[in-house]
Amino acid sequence: DVKVTQSSRYLVKRTGEKVFLECVQDMDHENMFWYRQDPGLGLRLIYFSYDVKMKEKGDIPEGYSVSREKKERFSLILESASTNQTSMYLCASSLEGSGANVLTFGAGSRLTVL
Amino acid sequence: GENVEQHPSTLSVQEGDSAVIKCTYSDSASNYFPWYKQELGKGPQLIIDIRSNVGEKKDQRIAVTLNKTAKHFSLHITETQPEDSAVYFCAASYSGGGADGLTFGKGTHLIIQP
Repeated sequence: DVKVTQSSRYLVKRTGEKVFLECVQDMDHENMFWYRQDPGLGLRLIYFSYDVKMKEKGDIPEGYSVSREKKERFSLILESASTNQTSMYLCASSLEGSGANVLTFGAGSRLTVL
Repeated sequence: GENVEQHPSTLSVQEGDSAVIKCTYSDSASNYFPWYKQELGKGPQLIIDIRSNVGEKKDQRIAVTLNKTAKHFSLHITETQPEDSAVYFCAASYSGGGADGLTFGKGTHLIIQP
């Protein structure tokens, strides 16, 4: 069964801390994505990657960075966490080509910044 | 860019009744319309999708209809059951592009009353 695993389901961090959210997929997918989910705002794309060491900004990249050193792993980094980054973060992956639009999501990482 | 509006934000129906969730989109170039279901504590999962060369698609109790002229598409769930309770997201994109082109609606919380 295909899987996207987000290592941390719940995190509580303090303002100013550096935060790493890790995501691993076992489907050999080329594309990986980080979304943010907030009530009433739906899913918003933060960053995505079409290949190892490649990254592209999504709709709301400010305050975030990403790293993709290996095909299966895509990390979201909050360099200096702020309270307005309290949210649910969803990682997703997809194939390239005709399957690029079909996303497989992880279970999410709920981050609280105090 | 694409804009997807989804209504209603919350829908409560009696078990056994039908539920309809509606979405409109703005970009006439969009031709791929997926629906994702997010159960409590899980990530969104693709349940059905439709491409613009068809007007309707069914899969057991769920169906999606598309009206390209009016730029709207709908999810229909018949004979609702408790396990249908979830948040549903519609999305739109151009299928020739990557998943970064997916624009999501803000979601509908479907509640099935026993």
